[in-house]
Amino acid sequence: DQQVKQNSPSLSVQEGRISILNCDYTNSMFDYFLWYKKYPAEGPTFLISISSIKDKNEDGRFTVFLNKSAKHLSLHIVPSQPGDSAVYFCAAARDGTSYGKLTFGQGTILTVHP
Amino acid sequence: EPEVTQTPSHQVTQMGQEVILRCVPISNHLYFYWYRQILGQKVEFLVSFYNNEISEKSEIFDDQFSVERPDGSNFTLKIRSTKLEDSAMYFCASSVMGLANEKLFFGSGTQLSVL
Repeated sequence: DQQVKQNSPSLSVQEGRISILNCDYTNSMFDYFLWYKKYPAEGPTFLISISSIKDKNEDGRFTVFLNKSAKHLSLHIVPSQPGDSAVYFCAAARDGTSYGKLTFGQGTILTVHP
Repeated sequence: EPEVTQTPSHQVTQMGQEVILRCVPISNHLYFYWYRQILGQKVEFLVSFYNNEISEKSEIFDDQFSVERPDGSNFTLKIRSTKLEDSAMYFCASSVMGLANEKLFFGSGTQLSVL
């Protein structure tokens, strides 16, 4: 199942700089896209989401951009902090009968160096 | 912030044995879910549950799997006869309304090892 893909397994960034995590999808029926982050020995925690009818959503240091024509979204973290070091998952959902069914990407390991 | 709790954190079992993974969702949440992540692979949806019924299930969730809310607080996943390929981290999650754009609250997971 390759409906949601995160092609970069890892990303290393200096503290204070911008982190850009990318995600591509193939199913144009997705209505929402969500980002979760995961620390070791913990479950994924919700970060930010975006509706397919929008192209940008911002929450503090986190901004998600959606390019529907390219079927691509990205998560920007500015400025990056060492505590942001985690695995970031892109996920997608369909409205209506989804009932919490998320389709996840493989995840990108973000390391923020002090 | 309220948490979803899962027990045990680790479970080792022999192939063919039955296992029950337990979860306590957040108390005012109405929708409950199980996901799993096989080592090195994606997090995969297994099943969603609402009002004592399965709302949706994936093709992974075959007859060997079942879910139950035995009382007002617990939510369980049973694997009837475990296989080696069932070895994975199993995550329980819950949400208030089951909407597509609603955030799910995940537990810390149960690492199941089938020998």
